[in-house]
Amino acid sequence: SQTIHQWPATLVQPVGSPLSLECTVEGTSNPNLYWYRQAAGRGLQLLFYSVGIGQISSEVPQNLSASRPQDRQFILSSKKLLLSDSGFYLCAWTGLDTQYFGPGTRLTVL
Amino acid sequence: QKEVEQNSGPLSVPEGAIASLNCTYSDRGSQSFFWYRQYSGKSPELIMFIYSNGDKEDGRFTAQLNKASQYVSLLIRDSQPSDSATYLCALSDGNQFYFGTGTSLTVIP
Repeated sequence: SQTIHQWPATLVQPVGSPLSLECTVEGTSNPNLYWYRQAAGRGLQLLFYSVGIGQISSEVPQNLSASRPQDRQFILSSKKLLLSDSGFYLCAWTGLDTQYFGPGTRLTVL
Repeated sequence: QKEVEQNSGPLSVPEGAIASLNCTYSDRGSQSFFWYRQYSGKSPELIMFIYSNGDKEDGRFTAQLNKASQYVSLLIRDSQPSDSATYLCALSDGNQFYFGTGTSLTVIP
C-alpha cells in the first residue's frame, strides 16, 4: 500500500530564516505530487505541483520554491521566511484520480 | 479557474440526526468529485468520491451529485460526536484538485 511521509511534524522558525520541508511517498512510482498550505481557519492553497522529476509548476508567486530531486521525493524551501508563511503545510499525491494527503507540517514563523 | 463553494457553517446537529453538507461548483465540465474529512490539527482524509449523477452510499455516508444543477452533497446518517470535523468538497480536472473552504460540523451528544 502507498504511504506518504512528511517531516518535520512541527517547526518554529524566526522571520528571515531558511526553510526546508520534505515529503516522500512509498509504494508507488511516478506519482503526481503537490504542496498545499492551509492558514489557520482557511482553505487549502495549492502552492506547487509536480508530474515528474525536475518538473515543477508554481501556482502562487511568493518566496517559496519546490524541487523534486527523486521520483518519490518532493521538497519545499524558502531562503527567507515571512510571518505570513505560518500555516499547515500538506504534501499530497494523486493515484487513480484520488488525492491522498500526508500528515502535514505545522510551521510557525515568529 | 474552477470554483468550489461551501457554506463555512458551523453546522450543528444532535447525535443520531442526519447531517447535510452542500457544495456547488462553477465548471460545468467537471467530472470527478470528492468529500474529505479534516479533524482539527490533522490532514484531510478521503471519505468518498462520486463521478456519476445520483446517489452513492458507503455505510452512514451518502454522496449526491447533480451535474445539471452543479452541486454535490454529503449526507451523514445517524451522526456521531466523532463525525465532528470540517468537511471539504473537492473536484478534479485530472491534473489538479480544487477544494472548497470546508464546512465545520459539530454533532452534539
